[in-house]
Amino acid sequence: EVQLVESGGGLVKPGGSLRVSCATSGFTFTNAWMSWVRQAPGKGLEWVGQIKSKSDGGAINYAAPVKGRFTISRDDSKDTVYLQMNSLKTEDTAVYYCTTEYYYTLKYWGQGTLVTVSS
Amino acid sequence: QSALTQPPSASGSPGQSVTISCTGTSSDVGGYKYVSWYQQHPGKVPKLMIYEVSKRPSGVPDRFSGSKSGNTASLTVSGLQAEDEADYYCSSYAGLYVFGTGTKVTVL
Repeated sequence: EVQLVESGGGLVKPGGSLRVSCATSGFTFTNAWMSWVRQAPGKGLEWVGQIKSKSDGGAINYAAPVKGRFTISRDDSKDTVYLQMNSLKTEDTAVYYCTTEYYYTLKYWGQGTLVTVSS
Repeated sequence: QSALTQPPSASGSPGQSVTISCTGTSSDVGGYKYVSWYQQHPGKVPKLMIYEVSKRPSGVPDRFSGSKSGNTASLTVSGLQAEDEADYYCSSYAGLYVFGTGTKVTVL
């Protein structure tokens, strides 16, 4: 059974930093492309970024609103993907979901972790 | 990339069909076969319902079907059931992912 478990969310002040993690199991993580998706309270889904497998080149892509502030990384020895968020803004407040990619779709989703940016 | 355009709401009575549109451009929906649809019940995690325009993952009822014409993709839910009441989002992959604005489906 595929499991994705996010952790690390919480309250942070504007301009601050936070790292959220996604621990995975039930599939071959080293071959997986992973994405982060967020959802602001009462709003729709927004793709944040993607990290490809090392065997596929390991490229990392970001959505325009987070490019230059957020960094996605992976530790294949721990089957874990990370989202480092810097220079946080109030508009970054959202539930952050970790997802697996399958044929250019987001197949499995974690339960999400809430990040609140507020003074 | 701009969000794909979906109607804010759609509704139907039990047993009826409802179709949701998802309009993009030739750079996303129209240019690739990678259109997906997700269902999200209130307070729940999104669930993949359709991928590659019209394919259903294992376990998704065949009441759910997808199609595409030009720059517009569509999700049809046939034989509406109470549990189909949810928010639905389309997405397209064109090097990056872009989501639709979301449609709230109400079962009358």
